Amino acid sequence: GENVEQHPSTLSVQEGDSAVIKCTYSDSASNYFPWYKQELGKRPQLIIDIRSNVGEKKDQRIAVTLNKTAKHFSLHITETQPEDSAVYFCAQGNRDDKIIFGKGTRLHILP
Amino acid sequence: EAQVTQNPRYLITVTGKKLTVTCSQNMNHEYMSWYRQDPGLGLRQIYYSMNVEVTDKGDVPEGYKVSRKEKRNFPLILESPSPNQTSLYFCASSYLGRAATGELFFGEGSRLTVL
Repeated sequence: GENVEQHPSTLSVQEGDSAVIKCTYSDSASNYFPWYKQELGKRPQLIIDIRSNVGEKKDQRIAVTLNKTAKHFSLHITETQPEDSAVYFCAQGNRDDKIIFGKGTRLHILP
Repeated sequence: EAQVTQNPRYLITVTGKKLTVTCSQNMNHEYMSWYRQDPGLGLRQIYYSMNVEVTDKGDVPEGYKVSRKEKRNFPLILESPSPNQTSLYFCASSYLGRAATGELFFGEGSRLTVL
């Protein structure tokens, strides 16, 4: 079936450095790729999304890139800060109106 | 305030005792969905609904039922809960009828323990 593979499952970076999380997907007809952030004990919240007609989107320190040919997309966080510590989920919107989530990446920002 | 409200937030129950987790949204969203979150497994979709009286199975529907009689409400029913349904449950809604292209707004979650 359709799935989204997310790597790594855990990531530790020094404060101020960059973090990159990668996802691959199987459904070539997908055209919507959101990223959600879930802080400890909180609900997931959308932080950025990208549609298939663009290759990159930025919002301050966060960016997402999409490679439709290779069927992968990535989240880039620059100048990481303590408040970036959280679990990040990539997701894929498929033709059956399902949002399929990756298994998540736990990001630790080290002081 | 725009929100998705789930109740109860925490529940401990016993095997076989029917329970319902309610979900209500005040944003006039067409799309609503239930997810369960388990360590290492991410968010897995249980059921979703694209409009009133329209429901579809997600990836893990076994042991669950839903109904969508009103646009704002989407209750999750566990007819005979079992310990493997111990999990954190999230309800979510989206303003687009086709949620595969729009932001999901999540409730605060309901932590269910089945003994």
